[in-house]
Order: sequence, then structure tokens, then C-alpha cells
Amino acid sequence: DAKTTQPPSMDCAEGRAANLPCNHSTISGNEYVYWYRQIHSQGPQYIIHGLKNNETNEMASLIITEDRKSSTLILPHATLRDTAVYYCIVRRMDSSYKLIFGSGTRLLVRP
Amino acid sequence: GAGVSQSPRYKVAKRGQDVALRCDPISGHVSLFWYQQALGQGPEFLTYFQNEAQLDKSGLPSDRFFAERPEGSVSTLKIQRTQQEDSAVYLCASSFSLTGGGYTFGSGTRLTVV
Repeated sequence: DAKTTQPPSMDCAEGRAANLPCNHSTISGNEYVYWYRQIHSQGPQYIIHGLKNNETNEMASLIITEDRKSSTLILPHATLRDTAVYYCIVRRMDSSYKLIFGSGTRLLVRP
Repeated sequence: GAGVSQSPRYKVAKRGQDVALRCDPISGHVSLFWYQQALGQGPEFLTYFQNEAQLDKSGLPSDRFFAERPEGSVSTLKIQRTQQEDSAVYLCASSFSLTGGGYTFGSGTRLTVV
């Protein structure tokens, strides 16, 4: 599975959009981009995933560049409860069932 | 149940003691994973089950670690002769299938070896 690179930490103001970048320049054609987050003392929580089209659900939006070498997770209106570590993971869907976590981005939402 | 349940939530073990950590996956989920998460690090894969079959145990750090899922539902991760470096949060995750969507994680068991 391709490796990902994320900034170690970010912060944003409550109510503003949080844009979390991820670089996956070695991604291959059959690899998906997954995002998970981990709130303190909890297990990781699935947020969203995509292949090449932008995706949106009730939690977030995922923007994947046309060359698929990077992506951005957008939390449109961040709340204090969104403070967490966010993990960007690249994974093949067919045979690579494992999620390989990196160090993630620690997002702090400020009041 | 509604989610993945892990017990105990916290475990303190003396060095050399054996421990058993339990995972109750979501009913009907065929895939089950164990991860180890050291303080300040991302989770690291330990082992994977599809129903009762352990298909991948490549992440188990030593032969002191053993996992089982005899009836394809509840799983137990056993650590023999615990050592201080085994101190970590042990996470269990389950999934209905290998494809699509995401896995559901439990809240983990925090193991402290003293």
C-alpha cells in the first residue's frame, strides 16, 4: 500500500472549515484513499473514502486531485468535538484488507 | 450489539503475568482485526481473522502473542509472560466484508505492564 504524508498538527477556529491535507504521491490506480479519526481514549472512527471522484457525506468532504497524488479532508464547520487525530490511509480494495496507519494529523479546534 | 465491545477496558499486569483480552465484534461481521497502539503512535496491525480462520498473523510481535476466534464471533488476544514493552492500547475492529466502507473499531483495552 502507498505511503501517506500528513502534517503532524493543525488548528482551526470553531465554526470555520478545517482542511486537512494528505500527500500520497505513490498511489496506484486501484488504491483508495481512506480517512479515519481518533478522538482521545476512543478507537479510530471511519470518516470517508474515495477513489478518484470527490466524495461527501454527513461528516466531511473528500477532495482528491486529478492526478490522485494528494487529497484534502474538509470538515465544513468544525466543532470542539472534532478535535482528534486524523489519519489518511491508502488501501487496495481487492486483496489488501489491512489498514496501515501513519502518525496522522492532530487537529485542535479552538473555541 | 451496536458496536464492537472490548473488555477489560483497563488491565494492569505484573511483568511475567499472562493476560487475555476479549473482543465482541458486531454481530454478523466476518472480518476481525487486532491492532496495537503505543502511546503517541498510530495503530499497528497485529492479526486478521475471516470468520474463525486466522488468515494473517504477520504483525504479532513475538510468539508470546496468540489470538483465536474459535466460533467466528468473539475473539481473544492472549499475551504470555508480559513485558513492559507490551504496554499499549489493544484495539479490535470488525467489518461485514473486506470491501467497501470502513471498519468499526472498539474503544480498546489499555494494558499497563508494571
